[in-house]
Amino acid sequence: DIQMTQSPSLLSASVGDRVTLNCKASQNINKNLNWYQQKLGEAPKLLIYYTNNLQTGIPSRFSGSGSGTDYTLTISSLQPEDVATYYCYQYNSGPTFGSGTKLEIK
Amino acid sequence: QVQLKESGPVLVQASETLSLTCTVSGFSLTNYGVIWVRQPPGKGLEWMGIIWRNGNTDYNSALKSRLSINRDTSKSQVFLKMNSLQTDDTAIYYCTREEFGVPLDWGQGVMVTVSS
Repeated sequence: DIQMTQSPSLLSASVGDRVTLNCKASQNINKNLNWYQQKLGEAPKLLIYYTNNLQTGIPSRFSGSGSGTDYTLTISSLQPEDVATYYCYQYNSGPTFGSGTKLEIK
Repeated sequence: QVQLKESGPVLVQASETLSLTCTVSGFSLTNYGVIWVRQPPGKGLEWMGIIWRNGNTDYNSALKSRLSINRDTSKSQVFLKMNSLQTDDTAIYYCTREEFGVPLDWGQGVMVTVSS
């Protein structure tokens, strides 16, 4: 099975900061990676699909990049409503989620 | 619009079988698949399995021996059954609409507690 390691597990940043969340796969996943946002008490929501494609309705401050085994979700200017846990998800084979990064406001 | 709603018992005894239903609207099960995902309290997400639009299924290898997913397209319902439950199966269970093999739209989830 492909393991997905997210770092950091907890990130505290200030409003307006540029923040970067990382996801590393145990083997090449050929950009078959999505990012999901889960706010407290809610179901996850798709933000980014196939590494760098913004889902409809998602603010443009979110972006994704990466290839091979290393992927990144970037928020260009952190907003209070971005407080959530973020999960990467690979679907190259035997789909798996990462362990999540909890994002807080400092 | 697309909607998914999970239903089933909120409390199940250990060693028994969990049966959940996902009722969908706004799309056809012959055009899209459904993925089941679960989340233990305070923990991360686990992909459980998928029923594809053609009715074929794939399962998480760790759950495959205990899990089955079926559907009734005429009723727009997908069914999850998992046997030999243990307390670590306590979780929120979500069904999601699948597109290109990934979860797209999610239900609100149903919290299932396994009691010993």
